[in-house]
Amino acid sequence: QKEVEQDPGPLSVPEGAIVSLNCTYSNSAFQYFMWYRQYSRKGPELLMYTYSSGNKEDGRFTAQVDKSSKYISLFIRDSQPSDSATYLCAMTVRGSQGGKLIFGQGTELSVKP
Amino acid sequence: NAGVTQTPKFQVLKTGQSMTLQCAQDMNHEYMSWYRQDPGMGLRLIHYSVGAGITDQGEVPNGYNVSRSTTEDFPLRLLSAAPSQTSVYFCATERRQGHEAFFGQGTRLTVV
Repeated sequence: QKEVEQDPGPLSVPEGAIVSLNCTYSNSAFQYFMWYRQYSRKGPELLMYTYSSGNKEDGRFTAQVDKSSKYISLFIRDSQPSDSATYLCAMTVRGSQGGKLIFGQGTELSVKP
Repeated sequence: NAGVTQTPKFQVLKTGQSMTLQCAQDMNHEYMSWYRQDPGMGLRLIHYSVGAGITDQGEVPNGYNVSRSTTEDFPLRLLSAAPSQTSVYFCATERRQGHEAFFGQGTRLTVV
């Protein structure tokens, strides 16, 4: 069983829809949670990061962490064709020595005009 | 600032050939890593380095070597290429391990 599970999709939605992307994980020690966005034939770029449980909002994007359920989500409001990309969740245990990032499989999102 | 630069962008190798994928960063980050990305598999860590002179294995190290003689450079060597190494390879840096990762543009490698 992978430490981090993410539905690979693909997910296709009409422009303006609310998108929900999700990851589950098994390691209860994970403390830092990130979402990366990867456009086609490009490297991933950090979109959001959160620490522990709760919500974090940045414009149309909201990251949510539920540590009790070992479940994280990324919500995209008013989705745009420019949001079409692969979204990867990542998480880590960041102690005094740091920790390796563990990535989900990535979800391919297509927003249709 | 260029950030993280990977060369080459594309490469075709024959089975058994060796090659080096280059990665250079100008961000003065301690931590560097190599990942491979395959369909449905996400990013898998090959090797990483927490500083010059220090390297360690990740999740899928077999068939790959690394060295870190300077802060800026972290080359990945394929010793004897196999078709199973056909993939997209990404180099990444972090200010410290477990922080935000900055990725290069990737190297698309095909082994025939």
